[in-house]
Amino acid sequence: GAVVSQHPSRVICKSGTSVKIECRSLDFQATTMFWYRQFPKQSLMLMATSNEGSKATYEQGVEKDKFLINHASLTLSTLTVTSAHPEDSSFYICSARESGRSNQPQHFGDGTRLSIL
Amino acid sequence: DAKTTQPPSMDCAEGRAANLPCNHSTISGNEYVYWYRQIHSQGPQYIIHGLKNNETNEMASLIITEDRKSSTLILPHATLRDTAVYYCIVRVPIPSGDDYKLSFGAGTTVTVRA
Repeated sequence: GAVVSQHPSRVICKSGTSVKIECRSLDFQATTMFWYRQFPKQSLMLMATSNEGSKATYEQGVEKDKFLINHASLTLSTLTVTSAHPEDSSFYICSARESGRSNQPQHFGDGTRLSIL
Repeated sequence: DAKTTQPPSMDCAEGRAANLPCNHSTISGNEYVYWYRQIHSQGPQYIIHGLKNNETNEMASLIITEDRKSSTLILPHATLRDTAVYYCIVRVPIPSGDDYKLSFGAGTTVTVRA
């Protein structure tokens, strides 16, 4: 089945550090990928839609200069949390759907747990 | 802006069927219903999806009412490993294109007990 790989699975770093998270579709091409954030005991909140070869679309209230998204190929999207602070600590999850198959489900990575000290 | 409502929690006995209800009364004619589950500290796992007809796969069955305003996910023989948060989702169109995004509600926390 479709597999989405996310790396790293866990990051612990100091305040002010920038952190890059990778999301790869391993056996399919994805024109569109999605980035979510999940705080403890809460549901997933969509942050942005990552579009291959063009700018990402951010949800209301999400700072695009804070959360940089690059979708340079059909199998890779990256999320960079710039100058991270403790309030950015969260579980970040990506998803992807095979291009050209709009009714097929999105598949999710296993998430990245980010802890900012 | 979740378009579905689900009970917040339910318990189920191991080995018995678990029936998870979902209301989606504002669903439009061409929108699919998707079910995912999230086991603690993992990414959501796709379970099943459907449009009008009932669907079955190796994980579950999906029963959609004739008016499509509600559906039920059935786990035929629940095991302890089925303990998770289950999300019923109707996709939301992305304004900028012809793609869709998933809007997660609170889901149903299912606890399977031995």
